Amino acid sequence: DADVTQTPRNRITKTGKRIMLECSQTKGHDRMYWYRQDPGLGLRLIYYSFDVKDINKGEISDGYSVSRQAQAKFSLSLESAIPNQTALYFCATSGAGARDEQFFGPGTRLTVL
Amino acid sequence: GNSVTQMEGPVTLSEEAFLTINCTYTATGYPSLFWYVQYPGEGLQLLLKATKADDKGSNKGFEATYRKETTSFHLEKGSVQVSDSAVYFCALSDKARSASKIIFGSGTRLSIRP
Repeated sequence: DADVTQTPRNRITKTGKRIMLECSQTKGHDRMYWYRQDPGLGLRLIYYSFDVKDINKGEISDGYSVSRQAQAKFSLSLESAIPNQTALYFCATSGAGARDEQFFGPGTRLTVL
Repeated sequence: GNSVTQMEGPVTLSEEAFLTINCTYTATGYPSLFWYVQYPGEGLQLLLKATKADDKGSNKGFEATYRKETTSFHLEKGSVQVSDSAVYFCALSDKARSASKIIFGSGTRLSIRP
C-alpha cells in the first residue's frame, strides 16, 4: 500500500463550487504539505502543517484553506473554485529532521470549468 | 529569499548519451540540496540528496555534487536509458522554525530516444 494517498485522483468541477482534496499518510510523520504544480512553474507551496495544531500559509494560499483532522490526515479546500485553480495538486509528508526529504502522494488533477 | 534555478527543458538525448542538467541556488545559511524525479502520471520521488558542501549524492547511476563556491548542484549521468525519461526537479531545504520547507526549481523534462 502507498504511504501517501490522495483522493480523488481526478476531479472536474465548475466555477464557484466548493471542492475538498484529501490526503492520508501512514508514515507516522508530523509534517504535511500541499503543493500545486503548473507547467513551467515547478511546485509551489500552498499550506504546510508541522503538527495537528500548527498550520501555516505557503507562498500561494489565497483562495485555499486547509484542515488537519489528525496526524495522518490533511485536507485542502477550495471554497469557491475558479478556472485558474486548474492544476495538479500534491500532498507531501516529512519527518522531524531539518534535512529530511519529503514523500509525495500521486497527485490530484483538478479541472475547474 | 532562497531560490533554485535549473536548466530549462525539454532536453532530448539518445540512449547511452551523457546527461547534465544544471542547477544553481541562492540561499542563506547551509541548506540541503535535492534532486527529485517525476515519472509520467506519478508524484515526485527523491532521486538523491546532499546535506553539506562537497557531498556527492548518487542513486541509479545519477550523481550530483554540492558546490558551495559556485552555488551549484548539477545532475549528471554517464549513460542514459529510455527509462530515465521523466521530469527532474532540483530543490533546496529552507529551514523555518527548526523544520524544513522545500523550494523547488521549475523542472526539466528529459526525453530519451531509443
